Amino acid sequence: DTAVSQTPKYLVTQMGNDKSIKCEQNLGHDTMYWYKQDSKKFLKIMFSYNNKELIINETVPNRFSPKSPDKAHLNLHINSLELGDSAVYFCASSQDRRGGADNEQFFGPGTRLTVL
Amino acid sequence: SQQGEEDPQALSIQEGENATMNCSYKTSINNLQWYRQNSGRGLVHLILIRSNEREKHSGRLRVTLDTSKKSSSLLITASRAADTASYFCAPSIYGNKLVFGAGTILRVKS
Repeated sequence: DTAVSQTPKYLVTQMGNDKSIKCEQNLGHDTMYWYKQDSKKFLKIMFSYNNKELIINETVPNRFSPKSPDKAHLNLHINSLELGDSAVYFCASSQDRRGGADNEQFFGPGTRLTVL
Repeated sequence: SQQGEEDPQALSIQEGENATMNCSYKTSINNLQWYRQNSGRGLVHLILIRSNEREKHSGRLRVTLDTSKKSSSLLITASRAADTASYFCAPSIYGNKLVFGAGTILRVKS
């Protein structure tokens, strides 16, 4: 069984559309994340949720809205897609231990978003 | 910025040689982690070193941490073609936040 799964793996869409990426983890972790990896391979955190509560919200346009229906799922909805949103988006999860220390993260396979 | 910065950007070695990658960061950390990313895949956790540790080993991996210099190194001994990947360091600065750099691209030639 895949520990952290994302769907879809590839997403090609037109500018201005709204799209969602889904993430599920079966590790029983408390915390989930969304990262964006740009063409230069920089990996930047976007959001972090702990037990369905938003913990980290980096300077991400409000066109991006994470939704966590339960602690095993963290979906990413993007409104009014722009060319600059093209990137690979990774979901990850970790177990909170000792207040955040030893927070090894497990990553999903990524979703390659291409905005035309 | 606060992100981990890896050096060199790219490294090409022959199978059997050792590979050393360095990482620098700017703030106090809880721990520092190293991850590997194979082409087109997600990141895989390799090793975590806590801020009060100086060296850690895991199989062919050896990580050092110098908090006074805000630097870390990852050594892969007896490299194999399968080690070809990008390697990222990720300082953990507070809570669960990791700050990644652009990584070191390692190519191991057989």
